[in-house]
Amino acid sequence: DAGVIQSPRHEVTEMGQEVTLRCKPISGHNSLFWYRQTMMRGLELLIYFNNNVPIDDSGMPEDRFSAKMPNASFSTLKIQPSEPRDSAVYFCASSGSGTRQFFGPGTRLTVL
Amino acid sequence: GQQLNQSPQSMFIQEGEDVSMNCTSSSIFNTWLWYKQDPGEGPVLLIALYKAGELTSNGRLTAQFGITRKDSFLNISASIPSDVGIYFCAGPPSGGGADGLTFGKGTHLIIQP
Repeated sequence: DAGVIQSPRHEVTEMGQEVTLRCKPISGHNSLFWYRQTMMRGLELLIYFNNNVPIDDSGMPEDRFSAKMPNASFSTLKIQPSEPRDSAVYFCASSGSGTRQFFGPGTRLTVL
Repeated sequence: GQQLNQSPQSMFIQEGEDVSMNCTSSSIFNTWLWYKQDPGEGPVLLIALYKAGELTSNGRLTAQFGITRKDSFLNISASIPSDVGIYFCAGPPSGGGADGLTFGKGTHLIIQP
C-alpha cells in the first residue's frame, strides 16, 4: 500500500519566490497534517484538516503561509513570498479515526 | 503550549546494550506515541499507548504509559546497528482524537562499533 506521498522531495529557491509543497494522504484517511522540522525548534504542527476542512491553523507562522485541501486526496502548502528562515523540512502526515499519524518522506526546502 | 521533554538528548552505546529513554510533560496526555526517524526520512510510528500504566512491546522495543499520565518510557533491548536514529515521543495536547501532535525534541541514538 502506498504511504503518504510528498512532492517535491527537495526544493531550492530564491528569496521572494513562491513555493508550493504537495501532499497525497493515505487513501481512506480523513485527517491531514502539515509539520515543519528545524534543528532549533524540532517538529512543529503548522495546520491540520479533518474531512478537508481546516481545523487549527494556529501553528502557521505568518500570512505568507497558506494551506488548502481541495479534496480528500490532495493538499498543498504554499509560501509566498519565501524567506531564508523558511528553510526547513516540511512533513505531511495523515490519519484515519484515531491518533496514529503516518508521515510522508518530507520536502527539504532551501531558500537562498 | 504543552511541551514534551525528552532525555537523554543523545546516547552513545555499544551494540548489544539495552537502551532506555523517557519523555515527561507538565500536563496530562491521554495518548503517547513513539516515533523513530532515520536520516532523510519521515518519522515512523513504533508504538502507541492509550491507557495509564499500559506496557506495550513491538519486537525488541517496549514502551510504558506512566501512571501519572505525565510521562512515558521507551526501552530497546539488545541494540543493533539499524536502531541508530532519532526517537521522538509525541502526543495530542488537547486530549485525543484527530488532533495535531506535540513532539519532544528527540533522543539521538548512536551505536559505537
